[in-house]
Amino acid sequence: DADVTQTPRNRITKTGKRIMLECSQTKGHDRMYWYRQDPGLGLQLIYYSFDVKDINKGEISDGYSVSRQAQAKFSLSLESAIPNQTALYFCATSDTDGLDNEQFFGPGTRLTVL
Amino acid sequence: GDSVTQMEGPVTLSEEAFLTINCTYTATGYPSLFWYVQYPGEGLQLLLKATKADDKGSNKGFEATYRKETTSFHLEKGSVQVSDSAVYFCALSDQGYSTLTFGKGTMLLVSP
Repeated sequence: DADVTQTPRNRITKTGKRIMLECSQTKGHDRMYWYRQDPGLGLQLIYYSFDVKDINKGEISDGYSVSRQAQAKFSLSLESAIPNQTALYFCATSDTDGLDNEQFFGPGTRLTVL
Repeated sequence: GDSVTQMEGPVTLSEEAFLTINCTYTATGYPSLFWYVQYPGEGLQLLLKATKADDKGSNKGFEATYRKETTSFHLEKGSVQVSDSAVYFCALSDQGYSTLTFGKGTMLLVSP
């Protein structure tokens, strides 16, 4: 079984709809991250969480919100989706004790906003 | 702030050719450096890493050396295979080990 799972894997929605992307991990890591990937732009950090009570904005948090329901679960919400949020979204985890912040990625969610 | 610059792709090579993908960085202090690889349809996975100057990371025939004097971490492989076709991302982690800063990625296409 995969250590970091994301649901759904693909989603098509319409402008103005609320969307939630979910991430679960079985690695026992404290730290979790949400990124978006656009062609030619690499990965941009949306939000990150170092534990259940700690939520931090990344470089492109506008239009997004997150919820850390448990150590193993970190959800990303688009309150009112817009077309330029069409992208590939990745969840990642890392171990607090890791000296080099190696991150482990889920398989991604491809979101299309029409 | 921190930043990573890597060469634009796609890089197109024939099988068994030598590969270099350039990566330079800007950071305060002494970051850790990484190369991640993304195969088609998959998430990123760590390829190799180096945590201090002059360290060489290596894995699956790929190598990269942390060069503090030139702020570089170039990825090399002596003989690429078709199965190496993927997108390669250079990244750094700041001194606080809090988040990763990624380059824009370089697509590698290897033909038989």
